Amino acid sequence: EVQLVESGGGLVQPGGSLRLSCAASGFTFSGYEMNWIRQAPGKGLEWLSYISTDATTVYYSDSAKGRFTTSRDNAKNLVFLQMNSLRAEDTAIYYCARDGDLSPYTSWGQGTLVTVSS
Amino acid sequence: EIVMTQSPDTVSVSPGERATLTCRASESVSDRLAWYQQKPGQAPRLLLYGASTRATGLPARFSGSGSGTEFTLTISSLQSEDFAVYYCQQYKSWPPAFGQGTKVEI
Repeated sequence: EVQLVESGGGLVQPGGSLRLSCAASGFTFSGYEMNWIRQAPGKGLEWLSYISTDATTVYYSDSAKGRFTTSRDNAKNLVFLQMNSLRAEDTAIYYCARDGDLSPYTSWGQGTLVTVSS
Repeated sequence: EIVMTQSPDTVSVSPGERATLTCRASESVSDRLAWYQQKPGQAPRLLLYGASTRATGLPARFSGSGSGTEFTLTISSLQSEDFAVYYCQQYKSWPPAFGQGTKVEI
């Protein structure tokens, strides 16, 4: 069974940093692209970032570019989202999702909540 | 970039009735369109892709149609477990984009 489990969320002050992790199991992680998608409270879904299987290609949305960095560790079946210079508007549930080099997201984690507030 | 717009924002339906949700793209996405269902407190779940192909295990009461810029998700006979928010998403070009969602309520 495919499982994606996010962690690392929490309360952080504006301007602070946070590193999210997504642990994958139940499939050959190194063979799948991964994405980060977020959802602000009561709002819709926003794609943030994509990383290829070998991490040679990474894409970001305009809202993530320059502040967020996506990476992966295929040996440990982990994908990361390093978030810097956080703002109140980054408050959201952050999901990792499998697949997505211009394909639908077939599996999602349960999400981790990031709250940016003083 | 492509903008996805869903209508209506909310649709009120009785159990057993049909619900029709619409998604429009600001430019053609061919059939590169997916639908997701999200229930409160849960992650989204892929329902359909390729505009009309059901994900594994999805009941036949869910169907999708359309191509280009206009798409429809139809739930033929709503069950209690179908009351949720539904999102469309284009994956024709970067950046991938979601619609704002349609809430299906009782």
